Amino acid sequence: DTGVSQDPRHKITKRGQNVTFRCDPISEHNRLYWYRQTLGQGPEFLTYFQNEAQLEKSRLLSDRFSAERPKGSFSTLEIQRTEQGDSAMYLCASSQGLADYNEQFFGPGTRLTVL
Amino acid sequence: SQKIEQNSEALNIQEGKTATLTCNYTNYSPAYLQWYRQDPGRGPVFLLLIRENEKEKRKERLKVTFDTTLKQSLFHITASQPADSATYLCALEGRGGADGLTFGKGTHLIIQP
Repeated sequence: DTGVSQDPRHKITKRGQNVTFRCDPISEHNRLYWYRQTLGQGPEFLTYFQNEAQLEKSRLLSDRFSAERPKGSFSTLEIQRTEQGDSAMYLCASSQGLADYNEQFFGPGTRLTVL
Repeated sequence: SQKIEQNSEALNIQEGKTATLTCNYTNYSPAYLQWYRQDPGRGPVFLLLIRENEKEKRKERLKVTFDTTLKQSLFHITASQPADSATYLCALEGRGGADGLTFGKGTHLIIQP
């Protein structure tokens, strides 16, 4: 399967703990996005990488959130001191970035539950 | 602030009929508008993209229209099938892709046999 993969698929943690998610984009894609989706809502943009450079961050991304994309390949999203309000599906997407527009390919998501 | 409205209530359509979904937006001038399909527990899947200077785009049984004056897009599925049942998301994009996609809440479509 050469699609976008995310790990883990599910994560249950206690409030105050740190969690880290991984995303492996489609190999030739140089753009990588993180979104958050809660029940009944559409995905909300969190941050964007062009290769290894983080070019944009949403105001939704508080100081407790950090994302990296070393060497422009896989990406990690870390949430420190998790809160119950962080419970959501975290989606990763990638795109080629060859054109001005973006057909984005999404992974299956990581569902986070904060108890 | 930017706002995208989709019919958040479920849309029930008889198999074989045309399903029409609506996406309205305010306070935004998108360069592109995209439609995605999302099944429960899965990530969205890209369906169609239409540019601001295009009025209509077709792909197999799918058709999208884009009216930048009305700030509205319509998404049509002709000859609908039960397998078309899913949530359909409208997404707006500015030029360059740096801001990611701005999604609506989606419309849950149910095609009844």
